Amino acid sequence: TQLLEQSPQFLSIQEGENLTVYCNSSSVFSSLQWYRQEPGEGPVLLVTVVTGGEVKKLKRLTFQFGDARKDSSLHITAAQPGDTGLYLCAAAFAGGTSYGKLTFGQGTILTVHP
Amino acid sequence: DVKVTQSSRYLVKRTGEKVFLECVQDMDHENMFWYRQDPGLGLRLIYFSYDVKMKEKGDIPEGYSVSREKKERFSLILESASTNQTSMYLCASSPSSGLGSYNSPLHFGNGTRLTVT
Repeated sequence: TQLLEQSPQFLSIQEGENLTVYCNSSSVFSSLQWYRQEPGEGPVLLVTVVTGGEVKKLKRLTFQFGDARKDSSLHITAAQPGDTGLYLCAAAFAGGTSYGKLTFGQGTILTVHP
Repeated sequence: DVKVTQSSRYLVKRTGEKVFLECVQDMDHENMFWYRQDPGLGLRLIYFSYDVKMKEKGDIPEGYSVSREKKERFSLILESASTNQTSMYLCASSPSSGLGSYNSPLHFGNGTRLTVT
């Protein structure tokens, strides 16, 4: 089983602060996705990154894919209470048959206080 | 919008019972998945299916089985429920993208919280 390490597990910050969540593995990803989950709901896709070194922006969220495709980060600028939720990274590992199988990180619970 | 519907939001079952969790998707997706979600462990794959009547074990298949008789429906079966199967169960679907690489997003249901007493 390939492992995906996500950190930190918990983040509690004030409105307006910046934060970064990390996702790492010793194996190469063919692609990596970031999801956000709110209480009582399933995860919802935020972004997919597929190219080493790729940077994608979604409003105040910036997603980076490492050059070696073994790591990714999610940076939120000027966090707002509406950003509160569980953030999950999920990787498709290179090689072999996948049929869309993803491996998930442990998740980061973000709480943004007004 | 893709809709993935899980039949129950909450279930309470007794140890030893046979439990069925049902999932239906309405977008003609080839792939369907069952994950369980536990605090600090993220989502762990139990089983997945890439076609009708086809199934593959995920990372934690012990104590579970699945059934996919129709393309839109994927059932998770706990043959004899145990307390360590108390968890949130999430069903997901995605369109087929071939072998060796994957970019399509997973579309999740809202989960079934199962408690085994």
